[in-house]
Amino acid sequence: QKEVEQNSGPLSVPEGAIASLNCTYSDRGSQSFFWYRQYSGKSPELIMFIYSNGDKEDGRFTAQLNKASQYVSLLIRDSQPSDSATYLCAVTPPRGNNNDMRFGAGTRLTVKP
Amino acid sequence: DTAVSQTPKYLVTQMGNDKSIKCEQNLGHDTMYWYKQDSKKFLKIMFSYNNKELIINETVPNRFSPKSPDKAHLNLHINSLELGDSAVYFCASSQDWGLTYEQYFGPGTRLTVT
Repeated sequence: QKEVEQNSGPLSVPEGAIASLNCTYSDRGSQSFFWYRQYSGKSPELIMFIYSNGDKEDGRFTAQLNKASQYVSLLIRDSQPSDSATYLCAVTPPRGNNNDMRFGAGTRLTVKP
Repeated sequence: DTAVSQTPKYLVTQMGNDKSIKCEQNLGHDTMYWYKQDSKKFLKIMFSYNNKELIINETVPNRFSPKSPDKAHLNLHINSLELGDSAVYFCASSQDWGLTYEQYFGPGTRLTVT
């Protein structure tokens, strides 16, 4: 079982729709959860992080965490063509371990005008 | 100001050569990292390093070695380059305290071994 799993996509949504990106992780003790966006040929850039169960909103982005189900998601409201990128889910182990962030393989999102 | 910078951006070299990639961060972070992103875009950690500890991913060949002259720099030295080393290498940094320690990435170095 992979440590962090994402649907590789591609996920295609029309402009203005809600894009829903999902991620599951295997280590029940994982502490912090991150979403990175990576445009083609560019480096990953941090969008959001979450560490408590529930929802966290930042502008058009909402991260949702359910530790019991070992599931984290990212919702993008009012999707724009500029949101087209690969979205990487990342998970860190419990504090006290090394800062070894594990990444999923990424989901490619395409927002069509 | 660039938070995490890497040089060079592109590196083309032949098998068997030795090369280095430089990384600098001006964020005042305690920990720096090297990642390899292969052609399938999978991002995999190679090393994490702070002034206390070097943690090596056990799958990384010992031809790869990180060198840190100070807290703001972590260079990656690669000996006897192989074709399979071709990838994009990202440097990253994070603060070593707090509940979360999100990482910030450099622009990447695309290494091509011929």
